[in-house]
Amino acid sequence: KNEVEQSPQNLTAQEGEFITINCSYSVGISALHWLQQHPGGGIVSLFMLSSGKKKHGRLIATINIQEKHSSLHITASHPRDSAVYICAAPNTGNQFYFGTGTSLTVIP
Amino acid sequence: EPEVTQTPSHQVTQMGQEVILRCVPISNHLYFYWYRQILGQKVEFLVSFYNNEISEKSEIFDDQFSVERPDGSNFTLKIRSTKLEDSAMYFCASSDPTGYGELFFGEGSRLTVL
Repeated sequence: KNEVEQSPQNLTAQEGEFITINCSYSVGISALHWLQQHPGGGIVSLFMLSSGKKKHGRLIATINIQEKHSSLHITASHPRDSAVYICAAPNTGNQFYFGTGTSLTVIP
Repeated sequence: EPEVTQTPSHQVTQMGQEVILRCVPISNHLYFYWYRQILGQKVEFLVSFYNNEISEKSEIFDDQFSVERPDGSNFTLKIRSTKLEDSAMYFCASSDPTGYGELFFGEGSRLTVL
């Protein structure tokens, strides 16, 4: 049983398309993190959110605490957005549960 | 910009040997983490550390693993007797004093056990 489920696992998009990645979790969490893992392996934090919506450039993250669901949106996708996007949820004790990641490829 | 640094970037060791992976978290951060990622698999939580003690650990973090902060700057992960299945990328991360803030990751240490 996975405490954090992501979909889709793989996503291919044309440059300029609007992209949505979904994350559902079953644990009680203090916040939810969206991470980006570059093709070289490095991990960068995109968002940490506990309610509502956050926006950074072309990236938007939303969370619905009641439904235990979060989405990451990318507007006007670009080939440089190609990466693995990971949803991670810490429980109230700071133990993290990770989704399996969504591998995004944006084609020019 | 402050960053988390990890050494070594790659270590090859023989099964049964002890390995120490080192991390220097961001200086004003108080929460520290180790994660691992076996090739082709998802990132897995190992341990979180706060106030000089472990605050949470996963089932993976058995007696073969230990962490410490020996000098107030370094944060180390020790694997006492490595097994083949310990081969993975190990990531260190730290977060700000609120504890649930943004995570800052190091570049990772790739461990290969032969």
